[in-house]
Amino acid sequence: GQSLEQPSEVTAVEGAIVQINCTYQTSGFYGLSWYQQHDGGAPTFLSYNALDGLEETGRFSSFLSRSDSYGYLLLQELQMKDSASYFCCLHNFNKFYFGSGTKLNVKP
Amino acid sequence: EAGVAQSPRYKIIEKRQSVAFWCNPISGHATLYWYQQILGQGPKLLIQFQNNGVVDDSQLPKDRFSAERLKGVDSTLKIQPAKLEDSAVYLCASSLPDSETQYFGPGTRLLVL
Repeated sequence: GQSLEQPSEVTAVEGAIVQINCTYQTSGFYGLSWYQQHDGGAPTFLSYNALDGLEETGRFSSFLSRSDSYGYLLLQELQMKDSASYFCCLHNFNKFYFGSGTKLNVKP
Repeated sequence: EAGVAQSPRYKIIEKRQSVAFWCNPISGHATLYWYQQILGQGPKLLIQFQNNGVVDDSQLPKDRFSAERLKGVDSTLKIQPAKLEDSAVYLCASSLPDSETQYFGPGTRLLVL
């Protein structure tokens, strides 16, 4: 399977901006998605990049660089409710590969 | 709009027993996925259906796992016999064809003793 690398844990304060990186080793894939999962909850879709560049959805933005084999999720104006795990997901033909997830801790 | 439904929510069994999970996707979603999520890891795709046909099952341990979606709507995932390492959350997701957005159900938490 594909290997996607994410930092295991990130801590930030309320109101700040945080970037969660995702690096991968593949080529020729369709795109990269991001999902949020609260403890004990189901993953929920946040964003998708099919092309290089930045996709903005409210406080969340996602970026993809195929030439650098990495993407990131940018969360602005952090709120306490953003404390959750964030997963990147690579769509390669009929297969979907999730990273191991980054646990975001938002502190007051 | 109703979300993806799964049952049971929790299941505790002993190793070598069998277990089955049920999923009802969002109405109109032709694509259905089963994932296994081990604690502290990301979801791992086990099988993907398009209507009632299998699109990909390359990561499904076929010696013990089976899945079906007979009428192109509900789906069941079965484990027989279960092993200790099968302890995980089993997530069902659905999507519209050619959509990148997957909608996940609440999952079934399986503990194998």
